[in-house]
Amino acid sequence: AQRVTQPEKLLSVFKGAPVELKCNYSYSGSPELFWYVQYSRQRLQLLLRHISRESIKGFTADLNKGETSFHLKKPFAQEEDSAMYYCALSEPYDKVIFGPGTSLSVIP
Amino acid sequence: GAGVSQSPSNKVTEKGKDVELRCDPISGHTALYWYRQSLGQGLEFLIYFQGNSAPDKSGLPSDRFSAERTGGSVSTLTIQRTQQEDSAVYLCASSGRGGADTQYFGPGTRLTVL
Repeated sequence: AQRVTQPEKLLSVFKGAPVELKCNYSYSGSPELFWYVQYSRQRLQLLLRHISRESIKGFTADLNKGETSFHLKKPFAQEEDSAMYYCALSEPYDKVIFGPGTSLSVIP
Repeated sequence: GAGVSQSPSNKVTEKGKDVELRCDPISGHTALYWYRQSLGQGLEFLIYFQGNSAPDKSGLPSDRFSAERTGGSVSTLTIQRTQQEDSAVYLCASSGRGGADTQYFGPGTRLTVL
């Protein structure tokens, strides 16, 4: 069965420090992977998807099929990055499985 | 255009009562999802619609939970005989075709069962 794990429930980093939010998945096919973000009092929204291979708000994520990981990284954390981050996996035309989420807190 | 909307935004009910939560997806989106977000928890998948059909109901916690979608548009999540553990934020999302398409989330309905 498809499964997405995010080992850190809470992550605190200082402003300007690098940040990495971990995501591992289990899936037998070729998954589509996403990162969604929820800022305080805002709707959950897409941050980035692996197929786009783009950087959004300074964040990047690389799919590592060998390690079945899709970690989210940013070289220099900003206070406005404080939010809840969810890793998600889908297969075409099927449901989307979300991980349990990681709450990122950037300390000024 | 308008995004996903949900109503009511807040619902307070007494234990044992039935509640209906409504979701209006983005026009033209064929896939619709319901999730539950409990305090301190992540997103719990409840049910997924493709058109008016629900190919996956595996996430519904019990038979007190049901959902329907009519006209390939509006969806209603019904919780019968509510319990205190049903208290949560219920999120709806829609996407163009499902799966790999971006999900657009509604603002959620905060349900409190007293």
